[in-house]
Amino acid sequence: DIQMTQSPSSLSASVGDRVTVTCRASQSISDYVNWYQQKPGKAPKLLIYAASNLASGVPSRFSGSGSGTDFTLSISSLQPEDFATYYCQQSYSTPRTFGQGTKLEIK
Amino acid sequence: QVQLVESGGDVVQPGRSLRLSCAASGFPFNNYGIHWVRQAPGKGLEWVAVISDDGSNKDYADSVKGRFTISRDNSKNTLYLQMNSLRAEDTAVYYCAKDPSRYVGQSFDSWGQGTLVTVSS
Repeated sequence: DIQMTQSPSSLSASVGDRVTVTCRASQSISDYVNWYQQKPGKAPKLLIYAASNLASGVPSRFSGSGSGTDFTLSISSLQPEDFATYYCQQSYSTPRTFGQGTKLEIK
Repeated sequence: QVQLVESGGDVVQPGRSLRLSCAASGFPFNNYGIHWVRQAPGKGLEWVAVISDDGSNKDYADSVKGRFTISRDNSKNTLYLQMNSLRAEDTAVYYCAKDPSRYVGQSFDSWGQGTLVTVSS
């Protein structure tokens, strides 16, 4: 199985900050990475697919990049509604696997 | 708009069975693969199973293989997960999630709100 490792596990930031979350795959997976946002008590929501493509309705302050084994999710200017947990997920092979999550908290 | 509504979660004893349902609307259900993904309390996400649009192809996580069965009834726009021989480690919120393709595609592009399964004596 492909292991996805996110860093950091948690992150404190302020409204207006730019933040970056990193995800590393245990083997090369081209651009087969997706990013999800999950708020407490809610279902995950697709943000980014195929490493860098914004899902429908997702604000342009979110962006993704990377290829091979290293990927990043960036938020250009944090808004209050962005404080949540973020997960990367690989779609290169089954079983589909997720990173352990990065909890973004208000500083 | 796409809507997925899970039901059937409950408190059950170890070794017992439970069937979850996921009612779909707002899209042509019989054109898409659908997954089950679970999340143990306070933990991350774990993919459980997937079924193709016509039900002919299925795949499972090793952790549930031989105990769980995914199925669908396209005439009712409903997905199922039959869970047998339940264990404490199966305790989780179970989400159904739509695939953008007919089987296993790029992502999980829509999710239900989840249903909680608690396995405890």
